[in-house]
Amino acid sequence: GAGVSQSPSNKVTEKGKDVELRCDPISGHTALYWYRQSLGQGLEFLIYFQGNSAPDKSGLPSDRFSAERTGGSVSTLTIQRTQQEDSAVYLCASSLGRTSGRPEQFFGPGTRLTVL
Amino acid sequence: AQSVAQPEDQVNVAEGNPLTVKCTYSVSGNPYLFWYVQYPNRGLQFLLKYITGDNLVKGSYGFEAEFNKSQTSFHLKKPSALVSDSALYFCAVRDGNSGYALNFGKGTSLLVTP
Repeated sequence: GAGVSQSPSNKVTEKGKDVELRCDPISGHTALYWYRQSLGQGLEFLIYFQGNSAPDKSGLPSDRFSAERTGGSVSTLTIQRTQQEDSAVYLCASSLGRTSGRPEQFFGPGTRLTVL
Repeated sequence: AQSVAQPEDQVNVAEGNPLTVKCTYSVSGNPYLFWYVQYPNRGLQFLLKYITGDNLVKGSYGFEAEFNKSQTSFHLKKPSALVSDSALYFCAVRDGNSGYALNFGKGTSLLVTP
């Protein structure tokens, strides 16, 4: 597609349930990022994938959060045993590789997660 | 460590007037600087970037930004504001030598009145 796509656009879940958020990056982009946007914390980096390298998970807030990227393309962010403080907009971004000279990241529309 | 400060929560400007949205940064290596705009219930849209070269960079929708190394600033500007420019603007920085994740400011809400 022309841009980064994310699904679902909205997700309402009950505390303690698991959720999966999906990201489809721009074709040809080898780097993929997950961020979280919330009123209290602003925009926070969560995790970074570059090609086939091991991901940088340094931004994940707890071990309830995990992500994978299959075939170097689509990524899934999983939150287990959701808590109310997980409520936020989860943004996915993609970019060309580090040696491209094009470091700008392009963002998807986000998934708004509400944990009741 | 890297950080971004956007000192104004909101900027108000009349349509047709010039606008400036301020950003200062701190980074240990070479700064890569970015501006993004966010419209309600939408993702972030890339406006412009500075990585090297001319200090004045031009981007989408008539926006430009000036990199000032001595003042560690990267203010966003537009000569003539439009009502449709009203949105939330984010400045971001990453270390060009070793980083990849963007560190964002808290955002500045721009309101352009007719």
